[in-house]
Amino acid sequence: GQQLNQSPQSMFIQEGEDVSMNCTSSSIFNTWLWYKQDPGEGPVLLIALYKAGELTSNGRLTAQFGITRKDSFLNISASIPSDVGIYFCAGGGSGSARQLTFGSGTQLTVLP
Amino acid sequence: DVKVTQSSRYLVKRTGEKVFLECVQDMDHENMFWYRQDPGLGLRLIYFSYDVKMKEKGDIPEGYSVSREKKERFSLILESASTNQTSMYLCASSLPLGQGASYEQYFGPGTRLTVT
Repeated sequence: GQQLNQSPQSMFIQEGEDVSMNCTSSSIFNTWLWYKQDPGEGPVLLIALYKAGELTSNGRLTAQFGITRKDSFLNISASIPSDVGIYFCAGGGSGSARQLTFGSGTQLTVLP
Repeated sequence: DVKVTQSSRYLVKRTGEKVFLECVQDMDHENMFWYRQDPGLGLRLIYFSYDVKMKEKGDIPEGYSVSREKKERFSLILESASTNQTSMYLCASSLPLGQGASYEQYFGPGTRLTVT
């Protein structure tokens, strides 16, 4: 199936730094979602975006739905140790209406 | 809060065994999904269901079947387990299309299956 291009694949940052990751696609999506997965657990929904150009925040997390509807980014400000995990983007609404297309994930490591 | 539970967190089975993975959601969601997750391959959709007794193949259905007899329960069946089915299996559910946040999928904690 189709995959989203998510970058970077991995990041090593110092505690307190800001983080940015993004997803791009050749297809248009109606929805962009961002998930976080802790080791050995299922993904947890962080932010959902439904409108092109939309900018949404959830605490220290901010995500934007690209104006072309083909991309999205996630920013984490002032990172803390519990931000460690894998972050996935997912696009919905391209092709089969009920399915999501997932990015390959960004592995985030926060160094003390 | 949506709660999706999976019957086992860890499972070890032998090659050739029939394996049942159970998933239950408590939010009256219409749609349910089964994925497998492997390093470097991301999340791949095995099967999904948008109603009781309805099922559709995802990207990698070979070697798997599913059952949805009740709205809240979606089972993944490995008819004859093989070593290449060793993986993390994730179940998810979502609202039906047309209802608000219908693209938002909520995941269970996962089942780590090892086939020896």
